[in-house]
Amino acid sequence: GENVEQHPSTLSVQEGDSAVIKCTYSDSASNYFPWYKQELGKGPQLIIDIRSNVGEKKDQRIAVTLNKTAKHFSLHITETQPEDSAVYFCAASPNSGYSTLTFGKGTMLLVSP
Amino acid sequence: NAGVTQTPKFRVLKTGQSMTLLCAQDMNHEYMYWYRQDPGMGLRLIHYSVGEGTTAKGEVPDGYNVSRLKKQNFLLGLESAAPSQTSVYFCASSYAGDNSPLHFGNGTRLTVT
Repeated sequence: GENVEQHPSTLSVQEGDSAVIKCTYSDSASNYFPWYKQELGKGPQLIIDIRSNVGEKKDQRIAVTLNKTAKHFSLHITETQPEDSAVYFCAASPNSGYSTLTFGKGTMLLVSP
Repeated sequence: NAGVTQTPKFRVLKTGQSMTLLCAQDMNHEYMYWYRQDPGMGLRLIHYSVGEGTTAKGEVPDGYNVSRLKKQNFLLGLESAAPSQTSVYFCASSYAGDNSPLHFGNGTRLTVT
C-alpha cells in the first residue's frame, strides 16, 4: 500500500517568514495530493490540493508543488501569520475505484509574533 | 448545516467495557470514514463506508466494528475496550470516492483505563 513520509515533524518560524513542509510517497499510482490543516481541538480541514496533471497550484499565501518523477510534494506558506499555527497533514491517494487517503504523520507549525 | 457531528466529545472507559461512537452528517454524502489520531502517528483509517449498508476495513480495523444502517449515520463500536484504543477518533464524510474533499467532525477523545 501507499506510504507517506512527512518532514519536519515540528517547524517554528517568525511571523512574516515562509514555511515549507515536504512529503514523499511510495505508490506511483497516486495522483491526488491534498493538504489538511488541523487547529487545536478541531478536525482537519482541507486547505489546498493538487492532482498529478498539475505541477504547482497557488491560493493566496499558500502553494503546493508536485514532482511526480521524484514522488514528492511540498506545501509553501508565505508571509506567515500567528493564525497559521496548527498541525498540517499531507496525504496521497490513487484515483481508482474505492481509493482512500493515506496521511503523513503531520507537522506542527508554530508562528511566533 | 451542522456538517459532521460526533457524539460524545469525551469518554472514559474501563478495560473490557463496550461503547458506540456516533457520527452524523447532513450533507447527503455517500462516503463516511472513521480515523484514529495518536501522537506521532498521524491519521489512520479504521473503517469506511461507500454507501448505506456497506462497510470496509481500513488500515487498523482490529478491535472495532462499524455499521451504516442509514446514509447519514456511521457508528463505530468497541466491543471490549483496551488501553491501546485510547485515542482521538475522527469521523469524516465525502461526497464521493473520486477524491472529493473530506469533511471532518471535531473528534471524540476516548481514554481506556
